[in-house]
Amino acid sequence: EIVLTQSPGTLSLSPGERATLSCRASQSVSSYYLAWYQQKPGQAPRLLIYGASSRATGIPDRFSGSGSGTDFALTISRLEPEDFAVYYCQQFGNSLTFGGGTKVEIK
Amino acid sequence: QLQLQESGPRLVKPSETLSLTCTVSGGSISKNSYYWGWIRQPPGKGLEWIGSMYYSGSTHSNPSLKSRVTISVDTSKNQFSLKLTSVTAADTAVYFCCQGDSPVDPWGQGTLVTVSS
Repeated sequence: EIVLTQSPGTLSLSPGERATLSCRASQSVSSYYLAWYQQKPGQAPRLLIYGASSRATGIPDRFSGSGSGTDFALTISRLEPEDFAVYYCQQFGNSLTFGGGTKVEIK
Repeated sequence: QLQLQESGPRLVKPSETLSLTCTVSGGSISKNSYYWGWIRQPPGKGLEWIGSMYYSGSTHSNPSLKSRVTISVDTSKNQFSLKLTSVTAADTAVYFCCQGDSPVDPWGQGTLVTVSS
């Protein structure tokens, strides 16, 4: 099973700042099968990025994904008030696993 | 627009079987060439994949849950279902049904199932 480790656990930033979230895999992951999700309290996760770098329908261009192999990143170029949430990376190899999440909170 | 909705008992007794159904609207389970699956989230914790089933019948599931999980599809009702046997308090979670495995999209709104006597 591929383990995804997200860092940091919590990111404290102000609106307008840039956020960079990391997702590291215990073994190489096909970029095609790497996705990012946003989850707000009481809601289901929402797909942001698939294929490591493709934005899902309706996702603003301030969200971008990058990386390959074992190191992936989600960048939010300028944080908007609605972006404060928990973010998860996810991979599908021979099994489907999620990272532990990064909480982006207001500083 | 595809929408998914979970339904089933909210309270299950320890050692019994948790049963949930996901109703798909806005599209046909058998026409979309996707996996249909279940993911859960214990209160205050992260996401855990339970398993997925292709509309034609092939399945795959989390190795840690595989022996207790059954996922089935009823194309006539445009539904798919989850059965999780021998539940314990550790199975208390919000259960989400979903389409796809990578990416997972869309998701149902989720339903909290509590295991308690």
